[in-house]
Amino acid sequence: AQKITQTQPGMFVQEKEAVTLDCTYDTSDQSYGLFWYKQPSSGEMIFLIYQGSYDEQNATEGRYSLNFQKARKSANLVISASQLGDSAMYFCAMREPSGSARQLTFGSGTQLTVLP
Amino acid sequence: DADVTQTPRNRITKTGKRIMLECSQTKGHDRMYWYRQDPGLGLRLIYYSFDVKDINKGEISDGYSVSRQAQAKFSLSLESAIPNQTALYFCATSLAGAGRRNEQFFGPGTRLTVL
Repeated sequence: AQKITQTQPGMFVQEKEAVTLDCTYDTSDQSYGLFWYKQPSSGEMIFLIYQGSYDEQNATEGRYSLNFQKARKSANLVISASQLGDSAMYFCAMREPSGSARQLTFGSGTQLTVLP
Repeated sequence: DADVTQTPRNRITKTGKRIMLECSQTKGHDRMYWYRQDPGLGLRLIYYSFDVKDINKGEISDGYSVSRQAQAKFSLSLESAIPNQTALYFCATSLAGAGRRNEQFFGPGTRLTVL
């Protein structure tokens, strides 16, 4: 079963507007972490934002915020005031404590294009 | 200087050849990981290592082996490369322990093509 689902293969947004990238997850653990990474066309993976499952407030990092709805198991990324440099692939990922590995499970990504 | 480096950055090889991808880090992290990325599939874990003596298989370890030569170095080998191992390979590191975030830091990636 898919642990991380990103249902939007591609998204377009006008420069200076806000955009929401969807992410739903599946876990039976009570303690877990959710991450968003950005991958520009150059290929590197850039950490954007983190949300812990016990965090009561939604995470924010500059223009990035995470709309965390625990009961719905969703962790959507909101980018405010989009810039041309935001055009990239965005990956949602989850880290679970069960099992011995603290690795990440990634979604398939959303390609965001910011239009001038 | 980059905290996580990978060599080579690009490699073209032929079916059946042995190839090694190398990863070095200066972040002082105990944990290191190897992922591969294929279009439309996100990143998938190949192997991970919690310290020099602790190496574990990930989701897709068949056809790969690893070596943790030191805390700072983690190599991935393809013993006999095949075309479906053509992909972008990432090394990553993270802190150990019960820290809240402990995000993984990624190297720049190695683009491998197997002909």
